[in-house]
Amino acid sequence: AQKVTQAQTEISVVEKEDVTLDCVYETRDTTYYLFWYKQPPSGELVFLIRRNSFDEQNEISGRYSWNFQKSTSSFNFTITASQVVDSAVYFCALSDGSSNTGKLIFGQGTTLQVKP
Amino acid sequence: DAGITQSPRHKVTETGTPVTLRCHQTENHRYMYWYRQDPGHGLRLIHYSYGVKDTDKGEVSDGYSVSRSKTEDFLLTLESATSSQTSVYFCATKRATYEQYFGPGTRLTVT
Repeated sequence: AQKVTQAQTEISVVEKEDVTLDCVYETRDTTYYLFWYKQPPSGELVFLIRRNSFDEQNEISGRYSWNFQKSTSSFNFTITASQVVDSAVYFCALSDGSSNTGKLIFGQGTTLQVKP
Repeated sequence: DAGITQSPRHKVTETGTPVTLRCHQTENHRYMYWYRQDPGHGLRLIHYSYGVKDTDKGEVSDGYSVSRSKTEDFLLTLESATSSQTSVYFCATKRATYEQYFGPGTRLTVT
């Protein structure tokens, strides 16, 4: 069975600190996709990134970076120099690539609070 | 933005009444999904559709039914609402590149 675990329920940092959100996944599929979504206080879900199982290259987008390690089944998300606008709930999700259904398995989410 | 709208955005209903939530997309995506979001559970899949009149169950489908008569519309029905179905419901569509885009959500309260 597939599973996504975000062990950090809540994280609080002060603005300009770096913060890493952890995501550990379980799957028996050899082809799969990993995602991060952001849910700001307004409630909408915002897609941040997709990573394929066969591409372990890390990715950087501005202050955001993602570290994908198949050896540890982890897909961690780092925000550098956090800002108050980064305050949100962040979800990691997993989808199998073999059936093409695209069904997402979400982690429980990590609430990030960035204080000024 | 995948052009997804949900209606209603908020609804309060009584236990035992039927409720239908509507999801409308303008992107002509084949796959559509209904999720519910509850504290401590993240989002969980209720049902999904892979084409007109083609639907399948998700992780938490008991008490829910769906219908898709047109590519752009995906309806979620609670035949007889219960308090355990109080939740925020999100509709989503999937792009060919696999990421899903979500609607704004419907907050449903069953009293």
